[in-house]
Amino acid sequence: AQKVTQAQTEISVVEKEDVTLDCVYETRDTTYYLFWYKQPPSGELVFLIRRNSFDEQNEISGRYSWNFQKSTSSFNFTITASQVVDSAVYFCALSEALNQGGKLIFGQGTELSVKP
Amino acid sequence: GAGVSQSPSNKVTEKGKDVELRCDPISGHTALYWYRQSLGQGLEFLIYFQGNSAPDKSGLPSDRFSAERTGGSVSTLTIQRTQQEDSAVYLCASSRQGRGRSSYNEQFFGPGTRLTVL
Repeated sequence: AQKVTQAQTEISVVEKEDVTLDCVYETRDTTYYLFWYKQPPSGELVFLIRRNSFDEQNEISGRYSWNFQKSTSSFNFTITASQVVDSAVYFCALSEALNQGGKLIFGQGTELSVKP
Repeated sequence: GAGVSQSPSNKVTEKGKDVELRCDPISGHTALYWYRQSLGQGLEFLIYFQGNSAPDKSGLPSDRFSAERTGGSVSTLTIQRTQQEDSAVYLCASSRQGRGRSSYNEQFFGPGTRLTVL
């Protein structure tokens, strides 16, 4: 069965703090894709990153970094020196290659609040 | 270029009425998806279209829900005899869809249609 779990429902930090959003996934497929999307208060889902299951290299993009660990089925997202504009709901998602349609299975989301 | 557009942005209807929601994908994107976002259920897949292939309807919650995609572009999601539990934000996404296990393209989402069933 495919499943994505984001155990943190809400996180509140003060600006400039680092924050890590956890994501744990379940899949039977050996080839799959993991994603993070950001949903700001405006409501539109914004694509942040995609990782392939055969590439465990971690990635950094500015203040954002992602830690993909197949051994623990986790794909965690860290924001360094958080800013108020980072306040949003963040979704982790999974797509299995077996399902060539590419439908996304989303976690429940983590609402991040960054206070000035 | 233009992103995914959806209309209307908000729809209020009475229980039992039919509604139609429209999605205009990004030009050149062959794959189109509908998702639903509600407080109780989070983000759920509804249906997927890819080119001329039969759609994947595995996420549709009941036979009151249907969707079509005309000419490989615009899609309409129809909900018949709406119920209060249908109240949600309906999101459309599109992608350039490749084929094969190693091919995947990210989905770009529209702003959604907020449906309220009274």
